[in-house]
Amino acid sequence: GIQVEQSPPDLILQEGANSTLRCNFSDSVNNLQWFHQNPWGQLINLFYIPSGTKQNGRLSATTVATERYSLLYISSSQTTDSGVYFCAVLVVGAGNKLTFGGGTRVLVKP
Amino acid sequence: DTEVTQTPKHLVMGMTNKKSLKCEQHMGHRAMYWYKQKAKKPPELMFVYSYEKLSINESVPSRFSPECPNSSLLNLHLHALQPEDSALYLCASSQGTGSGNTIYFGEGSWLTVV
Repeated sequence: GIQVEQSPPDLILQEGANSTLRCNFSDSVNNLQWFHQNPWGQLINLFYIPSGTKQNGRLSATTVATERYSLLYISSSQTTDSGVYFCAVLVVGAGNKLTFGGGTRVLVKP
Repeated sequence: DTEVTQTPKHLVMGMTNKKSLKCEQHMGHRAMYWYKQKAKKPPELMFVYSYEKLSINESVPSRFSPECPNSSLLNLHLHALQPEDSALYLCASSQGTGSGNTIYFGEGSWLTVV
């Protein structure tokens, strides 16, 4: 099956810093989503981005499907950005099975 | 409104108990999912329902029994669980099962088996 790798596994930031999270995937995908899991466990949709670039406030994401990677940018980080960031991909022909990467655990210090 | 509601938020059950987790969405979505997440791991798919019919079972043990009474509701019946089944159980939904659908998750139910 498809492999999804995220880097770095852990990230510690000072409040106000910028950062880039990476997601590599081993095969062509038809759906890629970024999620933020808060400390209470909820997975919050950040972006649906199988290709191209999107921005939402201080967050933006870029997926280069031909090169099989996606990037999530966090600018001017805040303590509320802490949590785990997952990318998840879906491959046509595999049902609607979303395969998650291992996540990047982010801690933003005040 | 992109809300998936799960109850209960927390559940502690003995290995001989029978309990159920419930999930509800009112977004008109026709696909619903159960995921299981162990500590410090990503979510793993358990079941997919499409138009109220089970379409994917990821070889889940029979002590987990899903049920989709209607297009808005999804239950997960639990019986004779083991302590290693303790985890966060996440329900999700999407408009359909095609690749162009965004999947939305609920807040999860934290299950502890004692």
